[in-house]
Amino acid sequence: DTAVSQTPKYLVTQMGNDKSIKCEQNLGHDTMYWYKQDSKKFLKIMFSYNNKELIINETVPNRFSPKSPDKAHLNLHINSLELGDSAVYFCASSPGRTTNEKLFFGSGTQLSVL
Amino acid sequence: GQSLEQPSEVTAVEGAIVQINCTYQTSGFYGLSWYQQHDGGAPTFLSYNALDGLEETGRFSSFLSRSDSYGYLLLQELQMKDSASYFCAVYTGGFKTIFGAGTRLFVKA
Repeated sequence: DTAVSQTPKYLVTQMGNDKSIKCEQNLGHDTMYWYKQDSKKFLKIMFSYNNKELIINETVPNRFSPKSPDKAHLNLHINSLELGDSAVYFCASSPGRTTNEKLFFGSGTQLSVL
Repeated sequence: GQSLEQPSEVTAVEGAIVQINCTYQTSGFYGLSWYQQHDGGAPTFLSYNALDGLEETGRFSSFLSRSDSYGYLLLQELQMKDSASYFCAVYTGGFKTIFGAGTRLFVKA
């Protein structure tokens, strides 16, 4: 029943490691996003995809590589993790076409880099 | 640059009315939305204003003045469960929504 689901919920890892976060939506939406929420709760857009195509890359380091195998899935792979990558990462989706003003968020992945 | 300004914290008592203001400066503007986020939870959509005026949804109302680049969220009959962070956000078009830093609302008994 979950509309936007992402895994894992928690991720604790060492600096320098590589990790992935997976996201799936069952809403039939065309557009998916990754947002990063820092310790001050500031929500910053990282990427948006529409119909599997990258639309926005908001000056994110290229250690972050999103992949959309189909329009229901958007995964995020992070190479060479750094302390500053510690944050909550939210996946979101929106209908696409002309209605992207309402975002549906997943429950978040809390990433802690030690 | 692009910026959305909202107060960092607001405190109110149960049953009261509280208004959370948001001013924005963005390179594109299609509309202003509001999201609620409880601690440890995901942001959830509350409202969206594309045109000037007041939109009401139950205890929550949202207002927009495009000429003033200003909007607010009005919460009436406050309940303890309304304690959360509230974010204003601008849909700039091009599959992009940018968020303010959030307002932490504390509701006291």
